Amino acid sequence: DIVMTQSPDSLAVSLGERATINCKSSQSVLYSSNNKNYLAWYQQKPGQPPKLLIYWASTRESGVPDRFSGSGSGTDFTLTISSLQPEDVALYYCQQHFSKGFGQGTRVEIK
Amino acid sequence: EVQLVESGGGLVQLGGSLRLSCVASGFTFSGYWMSWVRQAPGKGLEWVANIKQDGSEKNYVDSVKGRFIISRDNAKNSLYLQMNSLRAEDTAVFYCVREEKNTFDMWGQGTVVTVSS
Repeated sequence: DIVMTQSPDSLAVSLGERATINCKSSQSVLYSSNNKNYLAWYQQKPGQPPKLLIYWASTRESGVPDRFSGSGSGTDFTLTISSLQPEDVALYYCQQHFSKGFGQGTRVEIK
Repeated sequence: EVQLVESGGGLVQLGGSLRLSCVASGFTFSGYWMSWVRQAPGKGLEWVANIKQDGSEKNYVDSVKGRFIISRDNAKNSLYLQMNSLRAEDTAVFYCVREEKNTFDMWGQGTVVTVSS
């Protein structure tokens, strides 16, 4: 099974500042036949289901603000919130779609 | 409106059974793989099972193999999860989820399953 490890477990960022979350997979999640990384990012607010933000490592889901961006390939990935807004306070999860495992989550708070 | 609505959760005793249902609307249900994903209280997300568009292929996480059965009825736009031999560690919110673009792109609000001794 592919194990997903996020860092840090939590971070506090000032409003308007950049937040960066890392995700590392124990095996490559790059699918060679289509050259796509099967890596997604989700946002979950209290009492709500997760919401898809990013898929294929760097493609923003429709309707997601452009302050959210994803990067990386193979085993190392990053979710960046370029300018943190109050509504971005949430848990964030990475997920690989080969065996569908999730990272443990990263809590983002306002400093 | 595109949505997934789960039902069937509740309180069940150790070793008991429960059947979850999910009704889809607003999209062509039969065109998508579908999954169940769960979240234990205060914990992270765990994929449980998925099923191919025509029901011909099913996959499960190891911890539920032999106990849970996923199924679907495309005529009723419905997804099901039959859960048997329930354990305390199965206590969770269970989400019905659509698969698309090699990811989970649409989630229901979830149904709560509590397994008690």
